[in-house]
Amino acid sequence: LAKTTQPISMDSYEGQEVNITCSHNNIATNDYITWYQQFPSQGPRFIIQGYKTKVTNEVASLFIPADRKSSTLSLPRVSLSDTAVYYCLVGDTGFQKLVFGTGTRLLVSP
Amino acid sequence: DGGITQSPKYLFRKEGQNVTLSCEQNLNHDAMYWYRQDPGQGLRLIYYSQIVNDFQKGDIAEGYSVSREKKESFPLTVTSAQKNPTAFYLCASRATANSPLHFGNGTRLTVT
Repeated sequence: LAKTTQPISMDSYEGQEVNITCSHNNIATNDYITWYQQFPSQGPRFIIQGYKTKVTNEVASLFIPADRKSSTLSLPRVSLSDTAVYYCLVGDTGFQKLVFGTGTRLLVSP
Repeated sequence: DGGITQSPKYLFRKEGQNVTLSCEQNLNHDAMYWYRQDPGQGLRLIYYSQIVNDFQKGDIAEGYSVSREKKESFPLTVTSAQKNPTAFYLCASRATANSPLHFGNGTRLTVT
């Protein structure tokens, strides 16, 4: 089971790019890397998922180096509404247990 | 709209009582999960189910029980054996291996 490690918290200002890195040294060959965003008193919601190299969607980019032992979530030009907790999740192969790490609490200030 | 419905949003119980939290999904997903979240903490896995009539313990299953009699439903019972039941409970599902999790909006349980 791949364990993940993220910074506990990060601070940024509106308009800046934020990069949150997740370490997952024992990622398995078939595992994907998925990032979620959670606001207080809500369920986490999916942001982006990738397997290798780079993935980009309308809200974020995900960078994964060749060894796949880490990944970086990049949020371009954050706003106050991006203040949330961000979780990196590495999945077991198949329908097995999915264990979340402690997440990164991002605070965006004016 | 497809999604996951957790009810109720807030639940209050007296200590010593069992309580059942509802989770229903109309996404036709095979796998369902229950997580617990304490204030300022991450999510901890209680139980998960890959198919109907089958479920597995997560990391903190003691004091909880589940059933999976229908694909759409995965209720969680918090028993009186759970020492610290007050928490935010989240239900999730996913369609296939490696597909993203879809979460409900949670049930906040307070036991006094």
